[in-house]
Amino acid sequence: QSVLTQPPSASGTPGQRVTISCSGSSSNIGSNTVNWYQQLPGTAPKLLIYSNNQRPSGVPDRFSGSKSGTSASLAISGLQSEDEADYYCAAWDDSLNGRGVFGTGTKVTVL
Amino acid sequence: QVQLQESGPGLVKPSETLSLTCSVSGGSISDYYWNWIRQPPGKGLEWIGYIDYSGSTNYNPSLKSRVSMSVDTSKTQFSLKLSSVTAADTAVYYCARGRATYNYGDYVWYFDYWGQGTLVTVSS
Repeated sequence: QSVLTQPPSASGTPGQRVTISCSGSSSNIGSNTVNWYQQLPGTAPKLLIYSNNQRPSGVPDRFSGSKSGTSASLAISGLQSEDEADYYCAAWDDSLNGRGVFGTGTKVTVL
Repeated sequence: QVQLQESGPGLVKPSETLSLTCSVSGGSISDYYWNWIRQPPGKGLEWIGYIDYSGSTNYNPSLKSRVSMSVDTSKTQFSLKLSSVTAADTAVYYCARGRATYNYGDYVWYFDYWGQGTLVTVSS
Protein backbone atom coordinates (compact mmCIF):
# COMPACT_ATOMS: atom_id res chain seq x y z
CA GLN A 1 0.00 0.00 0.00
CA SER A 2 2.76 2.50 0.95
CA VAL A 3 4.28 4.27 -2.03
CA LEU A 4 7.41 5.54 -0.27
CA THR A 5 9.98 3.01 0.95
CA GLN A 6 11.84 3.27 4.26
CA PRO A 7 14.06 0.80 6.13
CA PRO A 8 12.02 -0.97 8.81
CA SER A 9 14.48 -0.21 11.59
CA ALA A 10 17.46 1.88 12.61
CA SER A 11 19.37 2.11 15.86
CA GLY A 12 22.16 3.90 17.65
CA THR A 13 23.62 4.64 21.03
CA PRO A 14 23.05 7.94 22.83
CA GLY A 15 24.98 10.73 21.17
CA GLN A 16 25.34 8.96 17.84
CA ARG A 17 23.99 10.13 14.48
CA VAL A 18 21.24 8.10 12.84
CA THR A 19 20.01 8.54 9.28
CA ILE A 20 16.74 7.27 7.79
CA SER A 21 16.16 7.08 4.04
CA CYS A 22 12.93 7.49 2.09
CA SER A 23 12.76 6.36 -1.53
CA GLY A 24 10.04 7.44 -3.93
CA SER A 25 9.52 8.27 -7.59
CA SER A 26 9.24 11.14 -10.02
CA SER A 27 5.54 11.61 -9.25
CA ASN A 28 6.04 12.21 -5.53
CA ILE A 29 9.46 13.03 -4.05
CA GLY A 30 10.83 13.86 -7.49
CA SER A 31 8.39 16.73 -7.98
CA ASN A 32 7.11 17.68 -4.52
CA THR A 33 8.56 18.36 -1.10
CA VAL A 34 8.97 15.80 1.67
CA ASN A 35 7.74 15.88 5.26
CA TRP A 36 8.75 13.77 8.24
CA TYR A 37 6.58 12.78 11.19
CA GLN A 38 7.60 11.32 14.55
CA GLN A 39 5.22 8.97 16.32
CA LEU A 40 6.04 8.20 19.94
CA PRO A 41 4.52 4.97 21.33
CA GLY A 42 0.77 5.26 21.81
CA THR A 43 0.51 8.82 20.51
CA ALA A 44 -0.50 10.66 17.35
CA PRO A 45 2.16 11.53 14.79
CA LYS A 46 3.86 14.90 15.15
CA LEU A 47 5.28 17.06 12.36
CA LEU A 48 9.07 16.98 12.55
CA ILE A 49 10.24 18.36 9.18
CA TYR A 50 8.28 19.98 6.34
CA SER A 51 9.25 21.24 2.89
CA ASN A 52 12.31 18.92 2.84
CA ASN A 53 14.33 20.66 5.53
CA GLN A 54 12.21 23.09 7.55
CA ARG A 55 11.69 22.55 11.25
CA PRO A 56 8.47 23.73 12.93
CA SER A 57 8.86 25.86 16.01
CA GLY A 58 9.88 23.73 18.98
CA VAL A 59 11.58 20.93 17.06
CA PRO A 60 15.22 20.58 18.17
CA ASP A 61 17.90 21.32 15.57
CA ARG A 62 19.22 17.78 16.15
CA PHE A 63 16.66 16.81 13.51
CA SER A 64 17.45 17.70 9.91
CA GLY A 65 16.05 16.73 6.53
CA SER A 66 17.34 16.67 2.99
CA LYS A 67 16.17 15.66 -0.48
CA SER A 68 17.97 14.66 -3.65
CA GLY A 69 16.15 13.52 -6.77
CA THR A 70 13.57 10.91 -5.82
CA SER A 71 14.97 10.21 -2.35
CA ALA A 72 14.99 12.00 0.98
CA SER A 73 16.71 11.54 4.32
CA LEU A 74 16.09 12.38 7.95
CA ALA A 75 19.12 12.70 10.21
CA ILE A 76 19.06 12.65 13.99
CA SER A 77 22.30 13.88 15.50
CA GLY A 78 23.14 13.54 19.18
CA LEU A 79 20.62 10.70 19.57
CA GLN A 80 18.66 10.79 22.83
CA SER A 81 16.54 8.17 24.56
CA GLU A 82 13.39 10.21 23.93
CA ASP A 83 14.00 9.91 20.18
CA GLU A 84 12.96 6.25 20.29
CA ALA A 85 9.88 6.29 18.05
CA ASP A 86 8.49 5.48 14.62
CA TYR A 87 9.35 7.91 11.85
CA TYR A 88 7.36 8.36 8.63
CA CYS A 89 8.14 10.32 5.50
CA ALA A 90 5.29 11.72 3.41
CA ALA A 91 4.72 13.64 0.21
CA TRP A 92 2.07 14.57 -2.32
CA ASP A 93 1.89 12.23 -5.30
CA ASP A 94 0.80 13.68 -8.62
CA SER A 95 -0.47 10.39 -10.06
CA LEU A 96 -4.09 9.21 -10.00
CA ASN A 97 -5.47 12.76 -9.81
CA GLY A 98 -3.26 13.55 -6.82
CA ARG A 99 -3.07 11.83 -3.46
CA GLY A 100 -1.15 11.93 -0.22
CA VAL A 101 1.34 9.14 0.33
CA PHE A 102 3.29 7.97 3.36
CA GLY A 103 6.45 5.95 3.79
CA THR A 104 6.47 2.46 5.25
CA GLY A 105 7.84 3.76 8.55
CA THR A 106 11.11 3.26 10.42
CA LYS A 107 11.40 2.21 14.05
CA VAL A 108 14.34 3.96 15.72
CA THR A 109 15.76 2.20 18.76
CA VAL A 110 18.17 3.84 21.18
CA LEU A 111 20.53 1.14 22.43
CA GLN B 1 -3.38 26.76 20.23
CA VAL B 2 -5.16 24.73 17.57
CA GLN B 3 -6.72 21.51 18.83
CA LEU B 4 -8.51 18.73 16.97
CA GLN B 5 -10.70 16.08 18.58
CA GLU B 6 -12.20 13.02 16.89
CA SER B 7 -15.52 11.60 18.03
CA GLY B 8 -17.75 8.73 16.98
CA PRO B 9 -18.60 5.07 17.60
CA GLY B 10 -15.71 2.81 18.53
CA LEU B 11 -17.43 -0.29 17.15
CA VAL B 12 -19.06 -0.70 13.74
CA LYS B 13 -20.60 -3.84 12.26
CA PRO B 14 -19.35 -5.25 8.95
CA SER B 15 -21.12 -3.84 5.86
CA GLU B 16 -22.31 -0.78 7.83
CA THR B 17 -21.07 2.82 7.59
CA LEU B 18 -18.34 4.26 9.79
CA SER B 19 -19.03 7.87 10.81
CA LEU B 20 -16.58 10.17 12.58
CA THR B 21 -16.50 13.88 13.35
CA CYS B 22 -13.50 16.09 14.04
CA SER B 23 -14.03 19.23 16.11
CA VAL B 24 -11.57 22.07 15.58
CA SER B 25 -10.85 24.67 18.24
CA GLY B 26 -8.38 27.53 18.62
CA GLY B 27 -8.26 28.48 14.96
CA SER B 28 -10.14 29.19 11.77
CA ILE B 29 -11.39 26.41 9.55
CA SER B 30 -10.77 28.55 6.44
CA ASP B 31 -7.58 28.50 4.36
CA TYR B 32 -6.64 24.96 5.32
CA TYR B 33 -7.24 21.41 4.16
CA TRP B 34 -8.90 19.11 6.68
CA ASN B 35 -7.67 15.54 6.47
CA TRP B 36 -8.48 12.05 7.65
CA ILE B 37 -5.65 9.55 8.11
CA ARG B 38 -5.85 6.03 9.50
CA GLN B 39 -3.46 3.50 11.00
CA PRO B 40 -4.37 -0.21 11.34
CA PRO B 41 -3.06 -1.76 14.57
CA GLY B 42 0.70 -2.29 14.31
CA LYS B 43 0.86 -0.88 10.78
CA GLY B 44 1.69 2.33 8.96
CA LEU B 45 -0.23 5.47 8.09
CA GLU B 46 -2.73 5.76 5.22
CA TRP B 47 -4.13 9.04 3.92
CA ILE B 48 -7.90 8.84 3.42
CA GLY B 49 -8.57 12.28 1.95
CA TYR B 50 -9.25 15.93 2.65
CA ILE B 51 -11.98 18.53 2.50
CA ASP B 52 -11.52 22.30 2.51
CA TYR B 53 -13.75 24.98 4.01
CA SER B 54 -15.70 25.38 0.74
CA GLY B 55 -16.49 21.66 0.60
CA SER B 56 -14.02 20.70 -2.13
CA THR B 57 -12.70 17.19 -1.61
CA ASN B 58 -9.89 14.90 -2.69
CA TYR B 59 -10.03 11.23 -1.74
CA ASN B 60 -7.49 8.42 -1.84
CA PRO B 61 -8.28 6.50 -5.04
CA SER B 62 -8.09 3.21 -3.13
CA LEU B 63 -11.02 4.30 -0.91
CA LYS B 64 -12.80 6.78 -3.15
CA SER B 65 -15.83 4.60 -3.89
CA ARG B 66 -16.62 4.26 -0.18
CA VAL B 67 -15.59 7.66 1.27
CA SER B 68 -17.57 10.83 1.82
CA MET B 69 -16.50 13.95 3.70
CA SER B 70 -18.41 17.03 4.77
CA VAL B 71 -17.66 20.27 6.60
CA ASP B 72 -19.73 22.45 8.91
CA THR B 73 -17.98 25.80 9.13
CA SER B 74 -20.47 27.19 11.66
CA LYS B 75 -19.53 24.45 14.11
CA THR B 76 -15.87 24.26 12.95
CA GLN B 77 -16.30 20.56 12.40
CA PHE B 78 -15.68 18.18 9.56
CA SER B 79 -16.80 14.60 9.14
CA LEU B 80 -15.91 11.28 7.54
CA LYS B 81 -18.20 8.53 6.33
CA LEU B 82 -16.78 5.20 5.13
CA SER B 83 -19.35 2.77 3.81
CA SER B 84 -19.44 -1.03 3.50
CA VAL B 85 -16.76 -1.52 6.12
CA THR B 86 -14.92 -4.78 6.70
CA ALA B 87 -12.41 -5.94 9.29
CA ALA B 88 -9.68 -4.40 7.11
CA ASP B 89 -11.05 -0.97 8.04
CA THR B 90 -10.25 -1.51 11.72
CA ALA B 91 -7.79 1.23 12.59
CA VAL B 92 -7.02 4.31 14.63
CA TYR B 93 -8.52 7.21 12.69
CA TYR B 94 -6.83 10.61 12.95
CA CYS B 95 -8.01 13.99 11.78
CA ALA B 96 -5.32 16.50 10.87
CA ARG B 97 -5.01 20.07 9.59
CA GLY B 98 -3.28 20.28 6.23
CA ARG B 99 -1.35 23.18 4.75
CA ALA B 100 -0.37 23.58 1.12
CA THR B 101 1.71 26.03 -0.88
CA TYR B 102 4.36 26.09 -3.57
CA ASN B 103 8.11 26.44 -3.11
CA TYR B 104 10.04 27.07 -6.34
CA GLY B 105 7.56 24.95 -8.28
CA ASP B 106 7.44 22.07 -5.80
CA TYR B 107 4.17 21.41 -4.01
CA VAL B 108 4.56 21.81 -0.25
CA TRP B 109 1.89 19.82 1.58
CA TYR B 110 1.95 18.76 5.22
CA PHE B 111 -0.09 18.18 8.37
CA ASP B 112 0.78 20.57 11.20
CA TYR B 113 -1.85 19.65 13.80
CA TRP B 114 -3.30 16.22 14.57
CA GLY B 115 -6.09 14.90 16.75
CA GLN B 116 -5.28 12.26 19.35
CA GLY B 117 -6.90 9.56 17.24
CA THR B 118 -9.83 7.25 17.85
CA LEU B 119 -9.85 3.46 17.48
CA VAL B 120 -12.64 2.08 15.33
CA THR B 121 -13.12 -1.66 15.37
CA VAL B 122 -15.18 -3.40 12.71
CA SER B 123 -16.74 -6.51 14.19
CA SER B 124 -20.12 -8.16 14.54
